[in-house]
Amino acid sequence: DGGITQSPKYLFRKEGQNVTLSCEQNLNHDAMYWYRQDPGQGLRLIYYSQIVNDFQKGDIAEGYSVSREKKESFPLTVTSAQKNPTAFYLCASSIGSWNTGELFFGEGSRLTVL
Amino acid sequence: DQQVKQNSPSLSVQEGRISILNCDYTNSMFDYFLWYKKYPAEGPTFLISISSIKDKNEDGRFTVFLNKSAKHLSLHIVPSQPGDSAVYFCAASARGSTLGRLYFGRGTQLTVWP
Repeated sequence: DGGITQSPKYLFRKEGQNVTLSCEQNLNHDAMYWYRQDPGQGLRLIYYSQIVNDFQKGDIAEGYSVSREKKESFPLTVTSAQKNPTAFYLCASSIGSWNTGELFFGEGSRLTVL
Repeated sequence: DQQVKQNSPSLSVQEGRISILNCDYTNSMFDYFLWYKKYPAEGPTFLISISSIKDKNEDGRFTVFLNKSAKHLSLHIVPSQPGDSAVYFCAASARGSTLGRLYFGRGTQLTVWP
């Protein structure tokens, strides 16, 4: 089945450690996104990529980094510079040809910093 | 600054009755609006959308109404069912802007009780 796979589903990290969240899609979508969800905060855009080897910062990019070396993959690294990394992270993709606005989401990764 | 606002964090409705979820937006450039539904520990799933050239869109039990002059949209669920209990996010985009760039509200937790 086509879809978006995020891993790991749950992740624990000690303060000061970097951690990378995986996102893979087999929908042949050009655009991919990372959102962060905090209780009562809705979904906030971290980074997005419209095409391979290109990505842009979203609203809360500080302390995060991404890469887009392949169309199918858009990993997110949460660095030690991110001051409050405990959150639920969602990866999404969309058809690149024209903007319907409809995103397809993965099931999310919950990161907890101990 | 929150460009999409859902001012009711929660709503409780009896099964069989109508659920009305509200959403306001501030950016007059928004021309496409979507509702997403999210269960705990899962990614959001697309529910229904409406373009600014319409004032109503219906899909089964779900209807979205758009009032452009008031910058307000609402999602009606009739009849409500216990399986509709979830967080509902309103989202908006300006389709001349960044591809797939959605702005999300903070969500409304809908609880449908028997």
